Amino acid sequence: AQTVTQSQPEMSVQEAETVTLSCTYDTSESDYYLFWYKQPPSRQMILVIRQEAYKQQNATENRFSVNFQKAAKSFSLKISDSQLGDAAMYFCAYRTGANSKLTFGKGITLSVRP
Amino acid sequence: EAEVAQSPRYKITEKSQAVAFWCDPISGHATLYWYRQILGQGPELLVQFQDESVVDDSQLPKDRFSAERLKGVDSTLKIQPAELGDSAMYLCASSLSSSANEKLFFGSGTQLSVL
Repeated sequence: AQTVTQSQPEMSVQEAETVTLSCTYDTSESDYYLFWYKQPPSRQMILVIRQEAYKQQNATENRFSVNFQKAAKSFSLKISDSQLGDAAMYFCAYRTGANSKLTFGKGITLSVRP
Repeated sequence: EAEVAQSPRYKITEKSQAVAFWCDPISGHATLYWYRQILGQGPELLVQFQDESVVDDSQLPKDRFSAERLKGVDSTLKIQPAELGDSAMYLCASSLSSSANEKLFFGSGTQLSVL
C-alpha cells in the first residue's frame, strides 16, 4: 500500500522568510504524481503545486517550488518570501494511474509570524 | 471561478439518527469524490465516482454509509445510523477526469457532529 508521511506536525516562519515543508512517500510504482494542497482556516482545500515522477525538473509555481528526490522518495515544498496568507495546513498527496485514489499525508500546520 | 457546492455547512445529530450530505460538482466534471477528514488528519477517500458509476468505495463503511450520483451530476452521501465516531468533516471534490495528474477542486465541506 502506498503511504505518505509528513513527520512535522507544525512549523513557523517569519514573514518574508523561506520555509521548507517535508514529505516522504512509499511506493513500488515507477510512474506517479505528487501534489501539495493547502487548506486555509476557511477549509476549502486548493492545489498548490504538482510534480510528475517521470520529470527530473522540479516544479515551480511563483513563490512555491518543490525538491523532488525520486530515489529517496522525498518531496518537499519550499515557500519563498512567506506571506501572512500562507498560514494554513499543507498536505502532501500521492496518486498513480487513472481511477486511483489520491492519498494524503497527515498534514502540517504552518504559521507565519508578522 | 466555478466552485464545488456542498450543503449543509454544519450538521449536528444524535447517534442512531440518519444524516445526508449533498454535493454539486463543477459543471462538466466527470469525477466526483467524497472524503472524510478527522480533525488534525489528512482527508481519506470514502468513495469515488466516474460519471454515475462507483470506481472505488473500498473504504466506505457499507453497513451504514451509502453514496449515489444518479444522473452523473450531483451526489448524496448518507449515514444511517450515525455513530459518535462519524464526527468529522466530509469533503466533496470534483475533477475533469480521473487521470492521475488531474487537479481536484474541493468544496468547503460539511462539519458533522454526532452527540
